[in-house]
Amino acid sequence: AQKITQTQPGMFVQEKEAVTLDCTYDTSDQSYGLFWYKQPSSGEMIFLIYQGSYDEQNATEGRYSLNFQKARKSANLVISASQLGDSAMYFCAMREGQNGANNLFFGTGTRLTVIP
Amino acid sequence: ETGVTQSPTHLIKTRGQQVTLRCSSQSGHNTVSWYQQALGQGPQFIFQYYREEENGRGNFPPRFSGLQFPNYSSELNVNALELDDSALYLCASSAGQGNTNEKLFFGSGTQLSVL
Repeated sequence: AQKITQTQPGMFVQEKEAVTLDCTYDTSDQSYGLFWYKQPSSGEMIFLIYQGSYDEQNATEGRYSLNFQKARKSANLVISASQLGDSAMYFCAMREGQNGANNLFFGTGTRLTVIP
Repeated sequence: ETGVTQSPTHLIKTRGQQVTLRCSSQSGHNTVSWYQQALGQGPQFIFQYYREEENGRGNFPPRFSGLQFPNYSSELNVNALELDDSALYLCASSAGQGNTNEKLFFGSGTQLSVL
């Protein structure tokens, strides 16, 4: 089974509107971390936001928030007030607690296009 | 603060050849991880180096090998290149390893094309 599933290959959003990018995960570990990264056309993966499995509050970082629903194993990224510069690929990733390496499992990504 | 830098940015090789990719970690980071990102896919973990030793590996054959140097920079070596090795190779550094909240900081990658 895939550890990270992103079911939206592409999404469009109007500038200044909010958009939700979906992510579901699969793990039997109790301790794990969930990440969202942005990848512009330059190729660099840019860290956006992190949510720990024991965190009771949803993570927020500026215009980014993570809608964490543990029972449903979902970790959706919400981008508020979209900007043209938000157009990029977005990847959801997970690190499981029992492996000691920086082994992130990534989904296949969602291409977000912001329309002026 | 200097970010993660990778060289070269692009590389073209033929099947059977060997290639070396280089990575300088972010200042203060002692752990380097390498990822392979095939076209249309998310990155896949190749391996990690900490204190000059490999201490974690993904599902990649032994012809993928690496080194880490005392200044924490790293190399990824791929022998006997195959067509399927064509991908973007990303290097990531971190201040530590293994904690679930450890953030990885990525370079812009090396685009390898195998003909």
